[in-house]
Amino acid sequence: DQQVKQNSPSLSVQEGRISILNCDYTNSMFDYFLWYKKYPAEGPTFLISISSIKDKNEDGRFTVFLNKSAKHLSLHIVPSQPGDSAVYFCAASKSNFGNEKLTFGTGTRLTIIP
Amino acid sequence: DSGVTQTPKHLITATGQRVTLRCSPRSGDLSVYWYQQSLDQGLQFLIQYYNGEERAKGNILERFSAQQFPDLHSELNLSSLELGDSALYFCASSERPDSTDTQYFGPGTRLTVL
Repeated sequence: DQQVKQNSPSLSVQEGRISILNCDYTNSMFDYFLWYKKYPAEGPTFLISISSIKDKNEDGRFTVFLNKSAKHLSLHIVPSQPGDSAVYFCAASKSNFGNEKLTFGTGTRLTIIP
Repeated sequence: DSGVTQTPKHLITATGQRVTLRCSPRSGDLSVYWYQQSLDQGLQFLIQYYNGEERAKGNILERFSAQQFPDLHSELNLSSLELGDSALYFCASSERPDSTDTQYFGPGTRLTVL
């Protein structure tokens, strides 16, 4: 049972345009969400997170939006740069004590076209 | 460089064998996580240790076991290996045990079972 879904395995975006990566979840108990970025031959690196008490969190070119009623989150990258080409994983957790594990989606491969 | 080291980088072995994967967390991090990434799959949480004690368990097979030593490094033991165990195995570490603390990932160990 895939509780966190990234339905687009790949996405290509022109350099300078906006990249929008989507993620859906099914478990209404999730209250903390993260995006990780992964380059080939490296481990994932943390990008940005959002708590369920917010609907938006911004960090430079990266903004994460959370729509709790739709159980949907998205990552916006603007403007997109060639170095953003990577696989992006969204992850979710229940942040209360004793439920610390992260549940990851299957990833979206983003390619930025120069 | 995340500060998390994993050895070996690659491992090729035969079905039925046993292997040990090693992880050294970032300096100061007490929590260690193990994840498995099979082909076209997201990262599957296996197990978490915090300061030497098992903290949370995910979809870890009975043939797999892990431990965290007093110096905080961790080992993941995989036994009676099957073809389906071929995957990337990532270790991550964090200072606190809760999911809202950023997890830093190592570069992974690629296990191939022939």
